[in-house]
Amino acid sequence: GQSLEQPSEVTAVEGAIVQINCTYQTSGFYGLSWYQQHDGGAPTFLSYNALDGLEETGRFSSFLSRSDSYGYLLLQELQMKDSASYFCAVRDPGGGNKLTFGTGTQLKVEL
Amino acid sequence: DTEVTQTPKHLVMGMTNKKSLKCEQHMGHRAMYWYKQKAKKPPELMFVYSYEKLSINESVPSRFSPECPNSSLLNLHLHALQPEDSALYLCASSQGGASYEQYFGPGTRLTVT
Repeated sequence: GQSLEQPSEVTAVEGAIVQINCTYQTSGFYGLSWYQQHDGGAPTFLSYNALDGLEETGRFSSFLSRSDSYGYLLLQELQMKDSASYFCAVRDPGGGNKLTFGTGTQLKVEL
Repeated sequence: DTEVTQTPKHLVMGMTNKKSLKCEQHMGHRAMYWYKQKAKKPPELMFVYSYEKLSINESVPSRFSPECPNSSLLNLHLHALQPEDSALYLCASSQGGASYEQYFGPGTRLTVT
């Protein structure tokens, strides 16, 4: 089975940098995705790491270490609109297009 | 068009009612999904349709019945639901193989009374 753990809540101030961690236990691995979900909204795809290292997309970066079964999402120059829930996710190695989501981290950005 | 639409936005139904949730996408995606999400929890996969055929059923109770009339449409038929089925029901789609990137609709907020 698949298991992904995240901190339940992170608080940071506007303009700061915050890191949201994800540790996973999987029976196989096809890469780590990150999704953002605002309250009452739809999850939105942010990034994907198939290989070790850092992927940068604007203010957001995502990192993966397959040897440590660990990844993180880095948000820079935090804005109030970044307050949302963030989920890491892995694809099931059994195929069939199944995604398993992490426990989720609620990010609160304060003034 | 990179949008997945869902109707209705909100639904209140009694335990004896029959209702349907609808989902539509026009991105040419060949995989479509139903998820259930409770407050403060991650989305939980219910069903996957791949090329209009049911490929995954995550042991969902039979009171939930999915249907994929064509490659753009996905329905979820509801019958004899329980109050614990109250949740946000999300539809998503993706290109057939690369399911790490899924496009989600805004969801239907379902309340069972």
